[in-house]
Amino acid sequence: AQSVTQPDIHITVSEGASLELRCNYSYGATPYLFWYVQSPGQGLQLLLKYFSGDTLVQGIKGFEAEFKRSQSSFNLRKPSVHWSDAAEYFCAVAPYSGGGADGLTFGKGTHLIIQP
Amino acid sequence: GAGVSQSPSNKVTEKGKDVELRCDPISGHTALYWYRQSLGQGLEFLIYFQGNSAPDKSGLPSDRFSAERTGGSVSTLTIQRTQQEDSAVYLCASSSKGTGLNIQYFGAGTRLSVL
Repeated sequence: AQSVTQPDIHITVSEGASLELRCNYSYGATPYLFWYVQSPGQGLQLLLKYFSGDTLVQGIKGFEAEFKRSQSSFNLRKPSVHWSDAAEYFCAVAPYSGGGADGLTFGKGTHLIIQP
Repeated sequence: GAGVSQSPSNKVTEKGKDVELRCDPISGHTALYWYRQSLGQGLEFLIYFQGNSAPDKSGLPSDRFSAERTGGSVSTLTIQRTQQEDSAVYLCASSSKGTGLNIQYFGAGTRLSVL
């Protein structure tokens, strides 16, 4: 079965600084990979996804992520964070054969704190 | 509707009572998913519907949990004889088709508190 690891439970970054959130997955083939963001009291919003092709994917709100097969990683990055980026970030994987019956497998999440 | 709608947004119940949680997916989406988000377990996948059918119910935590979907639209997650460990946020998502290629759009969730 697939699994997702987000090693950092909390990350604190100063406003304007760069950000990298780590995600490692375990799966026997190339999975579909996602990053979602959750603000307090809100549902999950998709930031970006990787299905195939270019390993550097661009998302909304200035986020990008890079798929590295050799490291089984899909790290999320942003060059300059804004106070509004403070939220919970989840990495998720869906199996290549189709995620329907199994749903998404999520990491435990990384709580991002922005310092003024 | 414009997005996935869940009701109620908050539910407080007493231990032993039954509760029903409702999900109204994005119009035209054939696939619907239920997840549970709790402090201890994170986000767990519960069940998936393609149309009105749920191929695999093994993700439901216990036989006190059941789900149905009617008319290929609204879904209800029912928890019977609620226990304190059922306290969590229950999230619903829908996608246009039930494959990994299709983006899941999430509702804001129902926060269930069992006293």
